[in-house]
Amino acid sequence: LAKTTQPISMDSYEGQEVNITCSHNNIATNDYITWYQQFPSQGPRFIIQGYKTKVTNEVASLFIPADRKSSTLSLPRVSLSDTAVYYCLVGDVYSSASKIIFGSGTRLSIRP
Amino acid sequence: ETGVTQSPTHLIKTRGQQVTLRCSSQSGHNTVSWYQQALGQGPQFIFQYYREEENGRGNFPPRFSGLQFPNYSSELNVNALELDDSALYLCASSGGLAGSYEQYFGPGTRLTVT
Repeated sequence: LAKTTQPISMDSYEGQEVNITCSHNNIATNDYITWYQQFPSQGPRFIIQGYKTKVTNEVASLFIPADRKSSTLSLPRVSLSDTAVYYCLVGDVYSSASKIIFGSGTRLSIRP
Repeated sequence: ETGVTQSPTHLIKTRGQQVTLRCSSQSGHNTVSWYQQALGQGPQFIFQYYREEENGRGNFPPRFSGLQFPNYSSELNVNALELDDSALYLCASSGGLAGSYEQYFGPGTRLTVT
C-alpha cells in the first residue's frame, strides 16, 4: 500500500510561500497524487492532483520528482484563510478503491 | 450545478441502534465514496460505489453497509451502533474511480453514539 507520511504541523506567516512535503515510498505505477484542504467541521476540498513533474493551478503548485517517492505542495503567498489541515492522498485508478488512504494530514497555521 | 449534499447534519443515537445516512452526489458524478473521520484524525475510507456496485472497501466490519441508487445518490447504513462509531461521516462524489479523479466532499453528518 502506498502509505503517505507528512509533517504533523507547520507554522508560517502571511505573505510567505509554504511548502508541504509528503513521502510515499511505495507509490505504484498507476497511482496519482492528490492534495486536499480541510477546515474544521467541513469536508475536504480538492486542491491539486498530479502524476509526475509539475502541476500548477490558480491556488497551488505540485512538484513531483522523477522517482515519484515524494511530492511537495507549494502554496504561494499564504493568508490567514489558508490555516487548515492539508492531506496528501495516493490512489490507484485501476485497482480496488480500498487503497485510497488519507493520512493524518499536516496542520498548517498562518500567523499575521 | 449542485454540490454534494448530506443528511442529516447531526444525529444522536444510542448504542445498539441502527442509522442511515444519505448523500446526493454532484450532478454527472457516478461514483460515491464514504469516509469516517474521528476527531483529530484523517478520513478513513469505508467503501465506494461505482454505478450502483460496491467497488472497494476499507477495514470496516459488515455492519457498515451501503447502497447506490440509479440517480447515483447513496446511503450508508450502520447496524448495532457502538460508541466508537461516533464521528463525522463524509460522502464524496467523483466522475470516475476516485483514485485519479477529483473527489467532491459533502459537509458531512456528525453522528454521536451515547
